[in-house]
Amino acid sequence: EIVMTQSPATLSVSPGERATLSCRASQSVSSNLAWYQQKPGQAPRLLIYGASTRATGIPARFSGSGSGTEFTLTISSLQSEDFAVYYCQQYNNWPQTFGQGTKLEIK
Amino acid sequence: EVQLVESGGGLVKPGGSLRLSCAASGFTFSSYSMNWVRQAPGKGLEWVSSISSRSSYIYYADSMKGRFTVSRDNSKNSLYLQMNSLRAEDTAVYYCARDSHPQSGYLLLDAFDIWGQGTMVTVSS
Repeated sequence: EIVMTQSPATLSVSPGERATLSCRASQSVSSNLAWYQQKPGQAPRLLIYGASTRATGIPARFSGSGSGTEFTLTISSLQSEDFAVYYCQQYNNWPQTFGQGTKLEIK
Repeated sequence: EVQLVESGGGLVKPGGSLRLSCAASGFTFSSYSMNWVRQAPGKGLEWVSSISSRSSYIYYADSMKGRFTVSRDNSKNSLYLQMNSLRAEDTAVYYCARDSHPQSGYLLLDAFDIWGQGTMVTVSS
């Protein structure tokens, strides 16, 4: 099973600043990496798939990069609605696995 | 509107059974592989099971094999998860989720673009 490790566990950033979240895979997942946003009491929302392709309706301030084992989600200018938990998911191998999440909180 | 709505959650005793349902609308259900993902209280996301568009291919997470059974009825636009021999550690919100891309009957790995609101399953005596 591929283990996905996200860092940091919690990230404190001020509105308007940039946030950079990391995700590392225990073995290569090529570009088969997705990012999700989850707010309290809500279902996850797909942000990025294929490591760098924004899902439908996702603002341009969200961008993804990386391939192989190292991936990054960048939010260029944080809005109040962006404070949430973010998960990465690899879908290169069965079983597909998620990272443990990064909580993005207001500084 | 593309939508998934889960139902069937509740409180069940250890060793008991529960059947979850997921009603799909707003898209051609029979063209998509579907998935179940769960989230224990305060924890992260855990993939449970996937089923191909025509039910030809099914996968389960190891901890659910032999206890959970996924199925679908394309005529009813519905996905199901039959859960038997439930344990306390199965307590979670269970989400159904759609693969991002339609597939021609195979079960290929994909991101999940549409999620239901989830249904809570509590296993406790």
